[in-house]
Amino acid sequence: NAGVTQTPKFQVLKTGQSMTLQCAQDMNHNSMYWYRQDPGMGLRLIYYSASEGTTDKGEVPNGYNVSRLNKREFSLRLESAAPSQTSVYFCASSDSGRAYEQYFGPGTRLTVT
Amino acid sequence: GDSVTQMEGPVTLSEEAFLTINCTYTATGYPSLFWYVQYPGEGLQLLLKATKADDKGSNKGFEATYRKETTSFHLEKGSVQVSDSAVYFCALRPNAGKSTFGDGTTLTVKP
Repeated sequence: NAGVTQTPKFQVLKTGQSMTLQCAQDMNHNSMYWYRQDPGMGLRLIYYSASEGTTDKGEVPNGYNVSRLNKREFSLRLESAAPSQTSVYFCASSDSGRAYEQYFGPGTRLTVT
Repeated sequence: GDSVTQMEGPVTLSEEAFLTINCTYTATGYPSLFWYVQYPGEGLQLLLKATKADDKGSNKGFEATYRKETTSFHLEKGSVQVSDSAVYFCALRPNAGKSTFGDGTTLTVKP
């Protein structure tokens, strides 16, 4: 049981390049999330997927797109990277319902130069 | 909308000191409340939770009680260790919709 896995762990991009961050969970969770974490800013929700086939914007969606490929996988795409997207990105998953906690992946540290 | 306010950090304590990190929330209905911990270089992991008023969550010597009358969920530990140095996040999850996280409080414990 690997939990939530993310690839890659580290990435350096040049401004304007594109890339996709991959996330997979093996806990049969319905809901999946993408966050970014910047120093002094806490966690900010980029996009989330309440169930397979649905996605919704969070508080900072601009410059990102997501795909809920199936129940296990939820990818985050940067179409044209900008230095402001330098951050640590976390994927998370959870069961549906108020009582259930989120399980987080180990994070992807992205630097855009 | 929902919100979570945490005590601002950073917090620095000596080993074996008493820890309190304050957390208050605003939400409609009856959310569940959570404390997550993030160790350096890792993702967040659940520390403890409480799903209804007056419930006490506990784990690894940490405790927090769901106080509906004061809309609070303060984290406490009687004697901290160096290994407790981490960032602590308070969060709520409502009946419907997504979780809301506080900004995190950085704890450093010195030997």
